[in-house]
Amino acid sequence: NAGVMQNPRHLVRRRGQEARLRCSPMKGHSHVYWYRQLPEEGLKFMVYLQKENIIDESGMPKERFSAEFPKEGPSILRIQQVVRGDSAAYFCASSLQGQENSPLHFGNGTRLTVT
Amino acid sequence: AQSVTQPDIHITVSEGASLELRCNYSYGATPYLFWYVQSPGQGLQLLLKYFSGDTLVQGIKGFEAEFKRSQSSFNLRKPSVHWSDAAEYFCAVVPPSGDAGNNRKLIWGLGTSLAVNP
Repeated sequence: NAGVMQNPRHLVRRRGQEARLRCSPMKGHSHVYWYRQLPEEGLKFMVYLQKENIIDESGMPKERFSAEFPKEGPSILRIQQVVRGDSAAYFCASSLQGQENSPLHFGNGTRLTVT
Repeated sequence: AQSVTQPDIHITVSEGASLELRCNYSYGATPYLFWYVQSPGQGLQLLLKYFSGDTLVQGIKGFEAEFKRSQSSFNLRKPSVHWSDAAEYFCAVVPPSGDAGNNRKLIWGLGTSLAVNP
């Protein structure tokens, strides 16, 4: 499968635990975006990364959330000390370039449930 | 405020009927326009996009959309709906600023949920 791969598909965590969401972009893509989809809300941009660099994290909560996209391996979105409000679908997308005319390709998402 | 509006939250059509999903934007200049579809439990798939040129664009799965500058609209259409088209449809825009990295500025509508009756 040459598409964007996200895992796990479903993740259940208790309050206070850590959640790690992984995203492997499409082959050849070096731009990764993370979005969060809360129930009955639209997609919200969280963070934009290129290999080894965070370009824009303006949509990321200031605490408990972090993201990385190492030189080797997938991009990771980490949520520490999860709370119930973190329950959402988290989507990763990749693009060949960062410009607006370089369409995004989305993964199937990770659905996080915090109990 | 600059925004994307999808006026219809839910739409139900009969299989074989025609479909039109509305999308309006409020930007001074023409943005880049997209329609995505999200099937249950799946990620978003690009149906079609408009950057410039012919205002009627063809997409995948038999969908098309027409850009109307005078109405600031980019409505999605399909002549004959299939049961497999039941999904959530999202209109999205990127304001054209010429800066690299503007994909992160993708602004999403809240979506229209489509149900298809047999």
